[in-house]
Amino acid sequence: EIVMTQSPATLSVSPGERATLSCRASQSVSSNLAWYQQKPGQAPRLLIYGASTRATGIPARFSGSGSGTEFTLTISSLQSEDFAVYYCQQYHNWLTFGGGTKVEIK
Amino acid sequence: QLQLQESGPGLVKPSETLPLTCTVSGGSIRSSTYYWGWIRQPPGRGLEWIGTIYYSGSTYYNPSLKSRVTISVDTSKNQFSLKLTSVTAADTAMYYCARHIYSNIYYAWFDPWGQGTLVTVSS
Repeated sequence: EIVMTQSPATLSVSPGERATLSCRASQSVSSNLAWYQQKPGQAPRLLIYGASTRATGIPARFSGSGSGTEFTLTISSLQSEDFAVYYCQQYHNWLTFGGGTKVEIK
Repeated sequence: QLQLQESGPGLVKPSETLPLTCTVSGGSIRSSTYYWGWIRQPPGRGLEWIGTIYYSGSTYYNPSLKSRVTISVDTSKNQFSLKLTSVTAADTAMYYCARHIYSNIYYAWFDPWGQGTLVTVSS
């Protein structure tokens, strides 16, 4: 099983600042990685697939990068609605999710 | 707009079978392009993929749950279902259904998701 490790567990950021979230795979997943946003009491929402392709309707302030074992989700200027938990998911070998990064207001 | 809605009992006794159904609206489950999946999330924890089905009935299960999971599809009702046997407290979770995108030979990402249904395993 490919283990996905996200860091940090919690990220404290002020509105308008940049947030950088990391996701590391225990072995290469090529570019077969997705990112999701989950707000309290809601289902996850797809943000990014193929490591860097934004899903339909996702604002341009969200960007994904990386390949192999190291991936990054960047939120260029945090808006109030962006404070949430973010998960990465690999689909290269079966499907596994990371433990999540909570982005909270500083 | 495609929507998915989970339904089933909110409480299941230990050792019994957990049955859930996902109703798809705004699109056909018989699409040749998409698959349909179940994912769960224990309270306060991360996400775990359970399994996936195609409208033809072909299934793909998480190896860690495979011995206890059955996913089926009813195309006449535009629904697919999950059965998880021999449940324990560790199976207490929010259960989500979602459309599972197949891309470049991979069972890939999930979009959209249902709102989820909380299932508690307790006597």
